Amino acid sequence: DAGVTQSPTHLIKTRGQQVTLRCSPKSGHDTVSWYQQALGQGPQFIFQYYEEEERQRGNFPDRFSGHQFPNYSSELNVNALLLGDSALYLCASSPGTGRYEQYFGPGTRLTVT
Amino acid sequence: QKEVEQNSGPLSVPEGAIASLNCTYSDRGSQSFFWYRQYSGKSPELIMFIYSNGDKEDGRFTAQLNKASQYVSLLIRDSQPSDSATYLCAASRGAQKLVFGQGTRLTINP
Repeated sequence: DAGVTQSPTHLIKTRGQQVTLRCSPKSGHDTVSWYQQALGQGPQFIFQYYEEEERQRGNFPDRFSGHQFPNYSSELNVNALLLGDSALYLCASSPGTGRYEQYFGPGTRLTVT
Repeated sequence: QKEVEQNSGPLSVPEGAIASLNCTYSDRGSQSFFWYRQYSGKSPELIMFIYSNGDKEDGRFTAQLNKASQYVSLLIRDSQPSDSATYLCAASRGAQKLVFGQGTRLTINP
């Protein structure tokens, strides 16, 4: 049973560029959440998708947007990259149906230069 | 006040001893609590979750929840060097977002 997968593993972008990160949830999971983790900090919630809709959003600007596809996979898009967007981006999936545990993928390390 | 607070450590424990990690939360609407282990350069790994007051045991790990005191703890018995990692406490309102503490760095000394 494959766990949560994310691509790419690492990414280097220049300020002002746009980036798309991808996530496939665990088999049987229908909810996907995205988090940003800066060095030495706990993950910060960006948004959560369920049934292809954004169900909840954290305190991130509109430059951060997302999408969930019918197969439950998800994308995170960040426009107009800033140096401060450099972080580990984590995708987590959860099974829904009364179970609240979230399982993380390996993450995408984004470096903005 | 942060929503979830942890002592950032580092916490140093001798091999074979009990490691005790603590966490407090401010949102009384929180219903679900999680402990994640994160090795350096890796993503968080879920090791325990607890939804009801009291203790929950899984192998060498015990999670404790006291909703009245808004306090969650994780005990690791017979600590091993491989337990050296950062431990993240998280709280949520059901299926909603996880709110994390800043993590406690644990070192097990052989």
